[in-house]
Amino acid sequence: KQEVTQIPAALSVPEGENLVLNCSFTDSAIYNLQWFRQDPGKGLTSLLLIQSSQREQTSGRLNASLDKSSGRSTLYIAASQPGDSATYLCAGLGWSGNTGKLIFGQGTTLQVKP
Amino acid sequence: DAGVIQSPRHEVTEMGQEVTLRCKPISGHDYLFWYRQTMMRGLELLIYFNNNVPIDDSGMPEDRFSAKMPNASFSTLKIQPSEPRDSAVYFCASSHIEGAGQPQHFGDGTRLSIL
Repeated sequence: KQEVTQIPAALSVPEGENLVLNCSFTDSAIYNLQWFRQDPGKGLTSLLLIQSSQREQTSGRLNASLDKSSGRSTLYIAASQPGDSATYLCAGLGWSGNTGKLIFGQGTTLQVKP
Repeated sequence: DAGVIQSPRHEVTEMGQEVTLRCKPISGHDYLFWYRQTMMRGLELLIYFNNNVPIDDSGMPEDRFSAKMPNASFSTLKIQPSEPRDSAVYFCASSHIEGAGQPQHFGDGTRLSIL
């Protein structure tokens, strides 16, 4: 059974700092790994999607990496800004039989202080 | 582009009442997902559809929960009778999966409170 864990649960940093959010998963047979952002009272916004054959994806100040052998993914945020404050969730897409499911971690709540 | 649209945004009702949550997926998306989010359990997949057909409903907690997708542009999640432990935020998401997969697009959710 796939389990996804995110550490830390909460993080507070000063503006401008580079930071790394961690995600680990128990089953390396994932189809892809996705990072989402959730603002309070809102749904999830997809940030980056890494296919199982890829090692990393970049979008602007965000870089996500995937290491299937160690069961880890990281989300790197460069030059953090107060607008980056949100909860970040990672999710692994795994297959069971003919069905695919996203299994989510509990999220890391990030606060960037001006 | 219109995103995934959910209604209502908030629902407060008394225990025992029927609750119906609605979702309009993004046009052209052939997968639709219903999730529930709580502080204790995080985000959990309840059920998902492909081309209006339910594929996996193993996450539906009890027979009190049912979901339908009568056409490609509309889905409902119904709870009857509702209980206080059903209080949560319910999200609908849609995607168009081809090849190696595409990200899911989420609605803003329905915050459900059962008194």
